[in-house]
Amino acid sequence: ETGVTQSPTHLIKTRGQQVTLRCSSQSGHNTVSWYQQALGQGPQFIFQYYREEENGRGNFPPRFSGLQFPNYSSELNVNALELDDSALYLCASSFYSADTQYFGPGTRLTVL
Amino acid sequence: QQQVKQSPQSLIVQKGGISIINCAYENTAFDYFPWYQQFPGKGPALLIAIRPDVSEKKEGRFTISFNKSAKQFSLHIMDSQPGDSATYFCAARDNNNDMRFGAGTRLTVKP
Repeated sequence: ETGVTQSPTHLIKTRGQQVTLRCSSQSGHNTVSWYQQALGQGPQFIFQYYREEENGRGNFPPRFSGLQFPNYSSELNVNALELDDSALYLCASSFYSADTQYFGPGTRLTVL
Repeated sequence: QQQVKQSPQSLIVQKGGISIINCAYENTAFDYFPWYQQFPGKGPALLIAIRPDVSEKKEGRFTISFNKSAKQFSLHIMDSQPGDSATYFCAARDNNNDMRFGAGTRLTVKP
């Protein structure tokens, strides 16, 4: 059984660009949640996808969007990058939306 | 956005001692309260979790105490070990799957 994987590990972008981050859920899991973790802070919930549909969203603007694919892997897209978007982006998978979440190692995004 | 307040920000404990981390929440719609452990360069890992219908849950050296009327919950780590040195986050989730995390406590266990 493989755990949650994320790619890329690190990414550097400039302000105004767009970025796509990827997450492969743990085997058998149908739900993926995305979080933003700023340095020295706790993770903040961005949104959750359950069976390819958005199933809850935190207080993030529409330029943060996502997708979940039939194999339950997921993408996080961020448009018009801002300096404050620099953070560790974490995804977590679970068997269903209310079950225990297992986190991946994260993608470190730096916006210059 | 933070609705979960965590203290202390950092904690130093001697090996074999008890580590205690406290959290308070505001939203009464929260119905699931997990604690996560995070090592540098890693994602958070679930330690232990509790639902509001019980006041205490113990798993090995880790215990959650939950006070629903005070809207507070705490993590106790018994017989703390240097390998427990990490950042600990409390969290609370509502029925819209919105998980709110505390700001974290950096625990250092000295040998």
